[in-house]
Amino acid sequence: NAGVTQTPKFRVLKTGQSMTLLCAQDMNHEYMYWYRQDPGMGLRLIHYSVGEGTTAKGEVPDGYNVSRLKKQNFLLGLESAAPSQTSVYFCASHLPTSGNTIYFGEGSWLTVV
Amino acid sequence: RKEVEQDPGPFNVPEGATVAFNCTYSNSASQSFFWYRQDCRKEPKLLMSVYSSGNEDGRFTAQLNRASQYISLLIRDSKLSDSATYLCVVNMYVGNQFYFGTGTSLTVIP
Repeated sequence: NAGVTQTPKFRVLKTGQSMTLLCAQDMNHEYMYWYRQDPGMGLRLIHYSVGEGTTAKGEVPDGYNVSRLKKQNFLLGLESAAPSQTSVYFCASHLPTSGNTIYFGEGSWLTVV
Repeated sequence: RKEVEQDPGPFNVPEGATVAFNCTYSNSASQSFFWYRQDCRKEPKLLMSVYSSGNEDGRFTAQLNRASQYISLLIRDSKLSDSATYLCVVNMYVGNQFYFGTGTSLTVIP
């Protein structure tokens, strides 16, 4: 039972490089989210999606783009990585009718040097 | 003002102790409430939902006070395995947004 799967788990980037984080869920959830977690800051919402083909900005969207071409996948892109984007990234999914619980992937550790 | 506020701790308690965490939320339109547990370098996982009448799951008791807009978590007979960060989470149906506290760190000492 995979749940929410994120790839890659670890990545080191040089400033200015681009990369994409992939999130996949097999629970047929409509809502998907990308968060970043930094010490003392808690989880902050980057972007989210309420369904296939739709995305919206969260609290800290600058420097990131997302796409939801398929219901089960939610991609987070960094076009030109900056050291300030060094963080742990969590993907999550949610189906409002199933107990309202949000489920997280295992996290992706990104370091920008 | 943050949507959800928690005392970050750390709380260092001996095994067998009872410890309580509180959390306040700012938006009275909040609809669902949860406690999540996060172990070091792991993802948050649901510990328990919080219901208006209060609810218990083994050694864990959660309470909600809508009038004062706070949520509490009580852990009785603390175990070493309870050491983790506990996140207070609030959900608003409008936009289905989840708001997270910064977490309260608990270390249970032998």
